[in-house]
Amino acid sequence: QQQVKQSPQSLIVQKGGISIINCAYENTAFDYFPWYQQFPGKGPALLIAIRPDVSEKKEGRFTISFNKSAKQFSLHIMDSQPGDSATYFCAASRGGNYQLIWGAGTKLIIKP
Amino acid sequence: DTAVSQTPKYLVTQMGNDKSIKCEQNLGHDTMYWYKQDSKKFLKIMFSYNNKELIINETVPNRFSPKSPDKAHLNLHINSLELGDSAVYFCASSQDFSGNTIYFGEGSWLTVV
Repeated sequence: QQQVKQSPQSLIVQKGGISIINCAYENTAFDYFPWYQQFPGKGPALLIAIRPDVSEKKEGRFTISFNKSAKQFSLHIMDSQPGDSATYFCAASRGGNYQLIWGAGTKLIIKP
Repeated sequence: DTAVSQTPKYLVTQMGNDKSIKCEQNLGHDTMYWYKQDSKKFLKIMFSYNNKELIINETVPNRFSPKSPDKAHLNLHINSLELGDSAVYFCASSQDFSGNTIYFGEGSWLTVV
């Protein structure tokens, strides 16, 4: 119930293409769904986050799509660039004094 | 100014040694964390402190002991290091324990030989 399942484990996309990373959760009490981006040699950094009262949130080329009934959320990167090559983590929490539950990460490589 | 800073960045040490990693945040946050990231990039929370009090203590060998002298600092001491302790250790902080926006340090690469 506490798990967040992330797929794929790795992804290679051509420059200019759309990168899609998916996450699924079981705990319906989760109410905060962030995505973190981690470049090699750095710590993860918050990229974009969504709460379940909306089905989509867009920030520049990055969009989170949220499907509450399916208990799934995904990250879409439009016009993917080599600089987007990184490891992406989805996560979920239920707020209050509950810890963030992390997905296993997706290594994204954008080929020039 | 680095928001979450940890030292050392790289640490190579022999099995059986004791080592410490220091962490400081200048964001004025109440909550600090230690995470371990293994070679497969999986992020595992180890400890969380809120206002110097231990909130989360995951299933971590008791060779690992966190110490928070004040809410801006959370150090990690590791006794009797083992080969399996080799990993990247990240310090992080957040405004409070609601989980919103966690700020990570750049990591400390620990190699046990």
